[in-house]
Amino acid sequence: EPEVTQTPSHQVTQMGQEVILRCVPISNHLYFYWYRQILGQKVEFLVSFYNNEISEKSEIFDDQFSVERPDGSNFTLKIRSTKLEDSAMYFCASNSGVWPQHFGDGTRLSIL
Amino acid sequence: GESVGLHLPTLSVQEGDNSIINCAYSNSASDYFIWYKQESGKGPQFIIDIRSNMDKRQGQRVTVLLNKTVKHLSLQIAATQPGDSAVYFCAVAGGGADGLTFGKGTHLIIQP
Repeated sequence: EPEVTQTPSHQVTQMGQEVILRCVPISNHLYFYWYRQILGQKVEFLVSFYNNEISEKSEIFDDQFSVERPDGSNFTLKIRSTKLEDSAMYFCASNSGVWPQHFGDGTRLSIL
Repeated sequence: GESVGLHLPTLSVQEGDNSIINCAYSNSASDYFIWYKQESGKGPQFIIDIRSNMDKRQGQRVTVLLNKTVKHLSLQIAATQPGDSAVYFCAVAGGGADGLTFGKGTHLIIQP
């Protein structure tokens, strides 16, 4: 069964550094999403992306965040200047335009 | 906005018994409801979904019930197995929103 794949599985970064999280959505999917889950808390929506532009974003997705589809297969989330509170699991999801969204196994981001 | 709650942090059932996990939502405009299962170290895995034009939907050993009058959603798992041990999240969407709003999750523990 096709899967959403995310790399790396664990990223450790110094506070203030830039980090890029990578995702390869399911190949025929057109809609892409990022969510985050702070340890012990609920999964929170960050942003959705379609047709090479952001279609919706949450309050969490401020100017420090950006997303990009640099080629035909990858979908990335960049955090420009990381803060301690950015430490979380970051999940990528995709779908074909109909529900449900399919999730990857996440990247654990640890900010030191 | 939407909030999703009625959170029972942990539910412990005997192997072979049926389990019911409950969820409440606040926004009457929500029209899509979904249950995910999350195992340790993994991303949310789709179990079953339901749209607001239905009140019941069945899958293999799972049933989702939707009560729009009281804005309540439940997941029933029949004849629980050890592999059902996981955290279960409900999530909702609606009003044209792309992003899912997740509940806090219930940790289902299957006792041998």
